[in-house]
Amino acid sequence: QVQLVQSGAEVKKPGSSVKVSCKASGGTFSNYGISWVRQAPGQGLQWMGGIIPIFGARKYAQKFQGRVTIATDESTSTVYMELSSLRSEDTAIYYCARELYSGVLGNAFDIWGQGTMVTVS
Amino acid sequence: DIQMTQSPSSLSASVGDRVTITCRASQSISTYLNWYQQKPGKAPKLLIYAASNLQSGVPSRFSGSGSGTDFTLTITGLQPEDFATYYCQQSSSIPITFGQGTRLEIK
Repeated sequence: QVQLVQSGAEVKKPGSSVKVSCKASGGTFSNYGISWVRQAPGQGLQWMGGIIPIFGARKYAQKFQGRVTIATDESTSTVYMELSSLRSEDTAIYYCARELYSGVLGNAFDIWGQGTMVTVS
Repeated sequence: DIQMTQSPSSLSASVGDRVTITCRASQSISTYLNWYQQKPGKAPKLLIYAASNLQSGVPSRFSGSGSGTDFTLTITGLQPEDFATYYCQQSSSIPITFGQGTRLEIK
């Protein structure tokens, strides 16, 4: 069973960028999409965007367009999410999550990473 | 963007109770509706997909129904491990959006 393993916590200054990784352990992404969802402290879930690694197809939420980049390194079965121009409101746990269905983006998510805390201060 | 509204925001119940959580979409989403459970410090867990399909490994006391704009998650026979926060999520159109969550607490 594939697991998603994310990189460790980050503390960043306002205006800087952060890059969070999500690696498939025990398998590969195959043709499943990977999305990024964030959760501010005590708040709900917010979808940022996603990618289907094998196709390179990407979709981003308009709210983050221009600030977020999602990329993949298929050789290492790793997906990256980079968020730039950080502000205090970006302080959140960032999760990667795998699509339930292969070959699509924007459906249900059946496998989640453990989350990466990003603090902007 | 499609707005998802859950009710109630919080709910107190006892072990063994039957509880229902409602999710309403701001426009029709057919059955593109999914439910998640989240416990403190953990990632969300998929319970129900496509409005009424039980995800593999999820106990049968969880069930979902609805179509169009109105959906429900029902837990029949609450267990101690069910006390958590529940989120609905629409997958009809990008951007994917979630409800604000329903916190289920022990009475």
